[in-house]
This record gives sequence, C-alpha cells and structure tokens, in this order.
Amino acid sequence: NAGVTQTPKFQVLKTGQSMTLQCAQDMNHNSMYWYRQDPGMGLRLIYYSASEGTTDKGEVPNGYNVSRLNKREFSLRLESAAPSQTSVYFCASTRDWAGAYEQYFGPGTRLTVT
Amino acid sequence: TQLLEQSPQFLSIQEGENLTVYCNSSSVFSSLQWYRQEPGEGPVLLVTVVTGGEVKKLKRLTFQFGDARKDSSLHITAAQPGDTGLYLCAGTNSGGSNYKLTFGKGTLLTVNP
Repeated sequence: NAGVTQTPKFQVLKTGQSMTLQCAQDMNHNSMYWYRQDPGMGLRLIYYSASEGTTDKGEVPNGYNVSRLNKREFSLRLESAAPSQTSVYFCASTRDWAGAYEQYFGPGTRLTVT
Repeated sequence: TQLLEQSPQFLSIQEGENLTVYCNSSSVFSSLQWYRQEPGEGPVLLVTVVTGGEVKKLKRLTFQFGDARKDSSLHITAAQPGDTGLYLCAGTNSGGSNYKLTFGKGTLLTVNP
C-alpha cells in the first residue's frame, strides 16, 4: 500500500517552460488536492477535486491547471513557469471520516524556477 | 476567510521538557486535525478531534478540542528529539464547503538532545 505518490521529487525549470506534476493514490479516496508550501506562508490550496470528473479552484490557482484523470490520479500543470512558482508542491487525498476530512499527503515535489 | 492562528511560531526546548502549542480561531470548526511534518517530508496526520471538549492521547501527546470548537491545543510530555518537526493544525469548516481544510501556518518545534 503506497498511499500517495508524487513524481518527480525534484525539478528545475527555466522561466517559460512547462511541466506536469503527477500524483496518484491507492486508498480509493474520492477527493484529491494540490497545495504549495512556502516559508512563512503555510500550506495554500491550489486546486482540488471533490470527486472524479470535478475540479475546483482553491486559494492560489493562477498559473496552474489540473486534470483528474481517474479516481486514482490528479495532475498539476504549469503552462509557463515563473520564478514565483518556486515552491514545494504537495498532493493529498482525503478520507471522509465522520465529516472530518482527514488528509493523506504525498512526499512533495521541490520545484525551482530560474 | 477563516483563519487558524498557531502559537508559538517557533519553539526550541531541551529533551525531557514539557510543552504546549496552540491553535486558535474566531470561527467554529466541525472538526480539527493535527499533523506533524518532518523536514523534506509531507505532513502526516496525528489525530482528529470532532467533539467540543474532547481530549485524545497518543502516547506522550495530548490533544484537546475547545468546548466551543474554536481552538485546540497539543501538549507533549517529556519531549524527545524525535518529536522535532512542524506541527500543523487544520480545521473543517462547519458552515461551508466540507471539501477544503483551513490550515494554520504551524509551530516549528526543535527538541535538543
């Protein structure tokens, strides 16, 4: 049982390049999320998918797009990377337990945009 | 926008000491969770509290949810270097979308041997 997996673990991009961050979960969870974590800013929600076939914007969606490929996979795309997108990106899936949305996180992708 | 304020922001203590960190809000949450994040890793769920006044224990860690469900505390007894990490609280909104959690910015704990 791998939980939540993310690829790649590290990435360096030049300004204007594009890339897709991949995320998969094997816990049969309905909801999946993408966060970014920056020093002093905490975890900020970029996009989430409450169920297969739906996606919604979070707190900081500008410059990103997402695809919920199936129940297991949720990808995050940067179309034209900017230095402000240098961050650590976490994917998470959620178990709905008695109305509490317990989140299970992947190990993160450390992205640097130069 | 709902906010969760965590305090202190940083805490450095010696092994064997006790400590308490806090998570406060002016909003009511239907549930609240605590996560621990070690350097280079993703956050890991420690506990979920759902009932006002609830107390849960996890070995040397004691979690309490406030009676009004607006705040929570985490108490660690006899801290060990393995407790070092970023402690995050997160709440589920009782009045809005239940698909999103509100995260605090965390308390960075360092336990020195």
